[in-house]
Amino acid sequence: QVQLVQSGSELKKPGASVKVSCKASGYNLTDYAMSWVRQAPGQGLEWMGWINTNTGNPTYTQGFTGRFVFSLDTSVSTTYLQITSLKAEDTAVYYCARLYASSTFHWFDPWGQGTLVTVSS
Amino acid sequence: DIQMTQSPSSLSASIGDRVTITCRASQSVRSYLNWYQQRPGKAPKLLISAASSLQTGVPSTFSGSGSGTDFTLTISSLQPENCATYFCQQTFSSPWTFGQGTKVEIK
Repeated sequence: QVQLVQSGSELKKPGASVKVSCKASGYNLTDYAMSWVRQAPGQGLEWMGWINTNTGNPTYTQGFTGRFVFSLDTSVSTTYLQITSLKAEDTAVYYCARLYASSTFHWFDPWGQGTLVTVSS
Repeated sequence: DIQMTQSPSSLSASIGDRVTITCRASQSVRSYLNWYQQRPGKAPKLLISAASSLQTGVPSTFSGSGSGTDFTLTISSLQPENCATYFCQQTFSSPWTFGQGTKVEIK
């Protein structure tokens, strides 16, 4: 079945970097783009952007430019989210989600299980 | 950015009750509206796409309606497994935005 499996929780100090992985199975990674979504503790969902899995071209939404980098390795069907110069406010659960398109409609399905990134000194 | 506002923020209902959640967009999103369910500690799950298309495997007790700026998610008969937070999402205009969520609890 189609599944996205993310890497485990991370505890990082302010200023460090983190790289979260999202491994796709059950389908060809390059057939669908991948989105990333942030959920801060007790908060709602924020769309961070998406990566074109054919070209590797990323698109970031406002607020997620500069320190956030989407990448992929098609040989292992995996996309990545790297966050540099971590701040306490980056503490959140980060989800990858397959970006499904039908005609002009889009939705996220399925989602990875989420990766908790905690930034604390 | 298009703002999505859900109401209520939380609700408590009895098993078997009909539950309605509203999502209002700050401008028309036509039918580019999705609904997700997030159970505690779990990832969101797609329930409904394009305002009213029920996803395969989602119980028929769920339904979605609306277009333009006003949308509803209805649970026709609330079950214990429906305890979750529900989010709407518009994909009409980038950045795609989510509502703040509606938490559904059993009374």
